Amino acid sequence: DQQVKQNSPSLSVQEGRISILNCDYTNSMFDYFLWYKKYPAEGPTFLISISSIKDKNEDGRFTVFLNKSAKHLSLHIVPSQPGDSAVYFCAASAREIKAAGNKLTFGGGTRVLVKP
Amino acid sequence: DGGITQSPKYLFRKEGQNVTLSCEQNLNHDAMYWYRQDPGQGLRLIYYSQIVNDFQKGDIAEGYSVSREKKESFPLTVTSAQKNPTAFYLCASSIRGRTGVTEAFFGQGTRLTVV
Repeated sequence: DQQVKQNSPSLSVQEGRISILNCDYTNSMFDYFLWYKKYPAEGPTFLISISSIKDKNEDGRFTVFLNKSAKHLSLHIVPSQPGDSAVYFCAASAREIKAAGNKLTFGGGTRVLVKP
Repeated sequence: DGGITQSPKYLFRKEGQNVTLSCEQNLNHDAMYWYRQDPGQGLRLIYYSQIVNDFQKGDIAEGYSVSREKKESFPLTVTSAQKNPTAFYLCASSIRGRTGVTEAFFGQGTRLTVV
C-alpha cells in the first residue's frame, strides 16, 4: 500500500521554463511534507517543506503548494536550470508528540531533465 | 564538520554472508533511520531508532538487524536471510524541532552488491 505516490516517473523541460512535480498521498494523518533532491550515488538533500497549516511555501526558485482536501502537493521550479536535473522525492510525515524525530514516507521519485 | 558518514561507499559480498554497513553522525540527533533504494524506486524504511538502545522495524525489516548502543552510531546488518540484498542503502538522522516537525539529513549512501 503506497501512501505517497509520484505518478510521473520522469519530466523533461527546457531551461528557463517551469518544472511542475506532483505528489499524492492517502494517509490523512500526514501533516508535514518535504521535497528532497537526489543525484545518482548520493544521499538525498532537503529542498523545501510545508506544514499542513499552510497551502504554500516559497524559497527562491522553489515553491511547494499543498491542497489538503485533494491530498495533493506540487513542487514548482521557476526558472528551471540544467543543474536542477536530478531525481526529486516527495516525503510525508505524521507528527508524533513524544517522538525524537518523525519517520518519513517517500514517494517513488520523479526524474527531472532540464535541457539547455 | 557536522554530518552523517556512511562507510564504505561500495561494498561487495558473496551470497550467504552477513555484512554490516556503518553509519555515524556527529549532529547530536536523537533519531536515526535506514532506508533502501532500488533502481527506479523510492526510499523504503528498513529500521529506525528514536533513542539509544531502542529501535523499531520499518516497512521492510525482514532480513535486516540493527543496534543502537551509542547515540552517534546506528549500524545495519544485512543477513543471509535477506532475499534481495543488492541495493543502495541510505542512513539518515533527525532531531525534533520546536514546532514538532523534523527533516531528515542523509548520508552519502552505501551501494551493496551481492554476487
